[in-house]
Amino acid sequence: DAKTTQPNSMESNEEEPVHLPCNHSTISGTDYIHWYRQLPSQGPEYVIHGLTSNVNNRMASLAIAEDRKSSTLILHRATLRDAAVYYCILRSGWGTASKLTFGTGTRLQVTL
Amino acid sequence: DGGITQSPKYLFRKEGQNVTLSCEQNLNHDAMYWYRQDPGQGLRLIYYSQIVNDFQKGDIAEGYSVSREKKESFPLTVTSAQKNPTAFYLCASSPGYRVKNTEAFFGQGTRLTVV
Repeated sequence: DAKTTQPNSMESNEEEPVHLPCNHSTISGTDYIHWYRQLPSQGPEYVIHGLTSNVNNRMASLAIAEDRKSSTLILHRATLRDAAVYYCILRSGWGTASKLTFGTGTRLQVTL
Repeated sequence: DGGITQSPKYLFRKEGQNVTLSCEQNLNHDAMYWYRQDPGQGLRLIYYSQIVNDFQKGDIAEGYSVSREKKESFPLTVTSAQKNPTAFYLCASSPGYRVKNTEAFFGQGTRLTVV
């Protein structure tokens, strides 16, 4: 299965943009890139996903490299509520083998 | 409201006892997943199921068992064979294996403590 690599932690000041990187050099052509975030003692929540083109939604933007071996989650204006662990995962496989495999996650700290 | 429910939120058991964690969803999702999370660590996949009456082992299935008799339910049994069962357990669901470009929904987790 394709794996992802993320930095263990990042820091940001409130109201500044944050760029969270993810490497997935063994991604296959049919894998989607998903991002989730997890607050302490809670289940992860969906942030955004994409295949090849850059994606935007109300929470964030996802920039995908042309060769798809890396991607970047962009929080345009970080708030204290964005402090969480962010996971970059690949949706892999077809048929009954399809599963969600999580990477190491990046712990984002947001300060005033 | 539609969603995925795990119960109980906290669970205590004595060592050597089997324990079953509940996961129910009313989202009409085909796929369901169980993850384990240890303090300060990421999520590790235990078992997953893409359709009723079928399930697959994840990365750390030893010491666990599951069943998928109904679409909306995917209970996880932590057996006495699991050497370090104390952890935070998370259940998730998603529409199905035919559709990869959709999000997964997670429950709020069950924190199991074995003493």
